[in-house]
Amino acid sequence: RKEVEQDPGPFNVPEGATVAFNCTYSNSASQSFFWYRQDCRKEPKLLMSVYSSGNEDGRFTAQLNRASQYISLLIRDSKLSDSATYLCVVFLNQAGTALIFGKGTTLSVSS
Amino acid sequence: GAGVSQSPRYKVAKRGQDVALRCDPISGHVSLFWYQQALGQGPEFLTYFQNEAQLDKSGLPSDRFFAERPEGSVSTLKIQRTQQEDSAVYLCASSYTGGAGEKLFFGSGTQLSVL
Repeated sequence: RKEVEQDPGPFNVPEGATVAFNCTYSNSASQSFFWYRQDCRKEPKLLMSVYSSGNEDGRFTAQLNRASQYISLLIRDSKLSDSATYLCVVFLNQAGTALIFGKGTTLSVSS
Repeated sequence: GAGVSQSPRYKVAKRGQDVALRCDPISGHVSLFWYQQALGQGPEFLTYFQNEAQLDKSGLPSDRFFAERPEGSVSTLKIQRTQQEDSAVYLCASSYTGGAGEKLFFGSGTQLSVL
């Protein structure tokens, strides 16, 4: 089983729609959680960190459920510019302090 | 520099050829990571440096892959006797300390195509 699992999509939604992505992780000792965004043929960029209490940044809301080992990202009022791949990322504090990436969920917002 | 710089941007190699990929991290960033991203996949961890020390190389897929960061700044990922399955985008990332919760800054990557 992969460390971080996501539904690859694609999610095709109209402008203005609300869309939610889910992610599960296998290592209960995981310490930190993030959503990264990757545009086509570009490098990943940090979208937001995910905190246990849940956090919001404008139209984006991230939530973490440690008991279920589940992370979510909600995008409200989708814009054309939100079209990208969203990568769920987990930080494992083991000997190697590396971020583990999911395969990504592709979102396509159309007018 | 202003960001993480990788070169070359594209590399085409014949099977069996050796290649060297360069990463120039953000100045002052202690931690440097290499990731491999195949088409349609998320980035897969290869190796991690803290300054010049290679603390984790568990993600390197075979002994044909070798990475170094001799002076704790620029890093080189070398792939010997390239195979077609090595074709991917190789991403370098750096962070200030590499600690939990810290943002990674990625370079634009080197797209390697092995023919």
